[in-house]
Amino acid sequence: GAVVSQHPSWVICKSGTSVKIECRSLDFQATTMFWYRQFPKQSLMLMATSNEGSKATYEQGVEKDKFLINHASLTLSTLTVTSAHPEDSSFYICSARRTGVNTEAFFGQGTRLTVV
Amino acid sequence: GNSVTQMEGPVTLSEEAFLTINCTYTATGYPSLFWYVQYPGEGLQLLLKATKADDKGSNKGFEATYRKETTSFHLEKGSVQVSDSAVYFCALTSNSGNTPLVFGKGTRLSVIA
Repeated sequence: GAVVSQHPSWVICKSGTSVKIECRSLDFQATTMFWYRQFPKQSLMLMATSNEGSKATYEQGVEKDKFLINHASLTLSTLTVTSAHPEDSSFYICSARRTGVNTEAFFGQGTRLTVV
Repeated sequence: GNSVTQMEGPVTLSEEAFLTINCTYTATGYPSLFWYVQYPGEGLQLLLKATKADDKGSNKGFEATYRKETTSFHLEKGSVQVSDSAVYFCALTSNSGNTPLVFGKGTRLSVIA
């Protein structure tokens, strides 16, 4: 079964509204989770590293006020796209790794966001 | 720093053809290497992995051997099926679980009947 669960799978929202995406690790505690964005037929773009109990670390060029990340527990990280616009439409994927060196990453199912 | 280079494709093959997707890497320390597969509209799934030199990862007919001397981890399958159509990502890590994997850009594979 899925080790990392992401919800919702798809969402359509109006411009100017906010959308929250949840990412849960189901059978292990994840002090760190990762959020990616993927444009059609393109590779993964790391947006930010979510840290439990502290601020997220954002990659260069990612607006922290636009993409709010909260990692309130060891099994849940959320990404909120605030004041969404059509250019925010994309496929968002979360990921988590077990503690330890050289461990694999588990990915959520992804969320298709469409802003109209 | 760590990096992964893989052939970008797209790759189009007929059913039952032989598949090779090349992947080379640069890394400090002793990385673990991975191949992930992404089917349309889905997240990434781990396909196979290798944790040390000369290890061979295998799954669902796919294989890849960790070659330290050539810093490579090429993905192969002897006979592809239409259901193998997907995007394949090569990745590595030589760090702890609080750092993200380093990914190649992905290779899109289309298998036609």
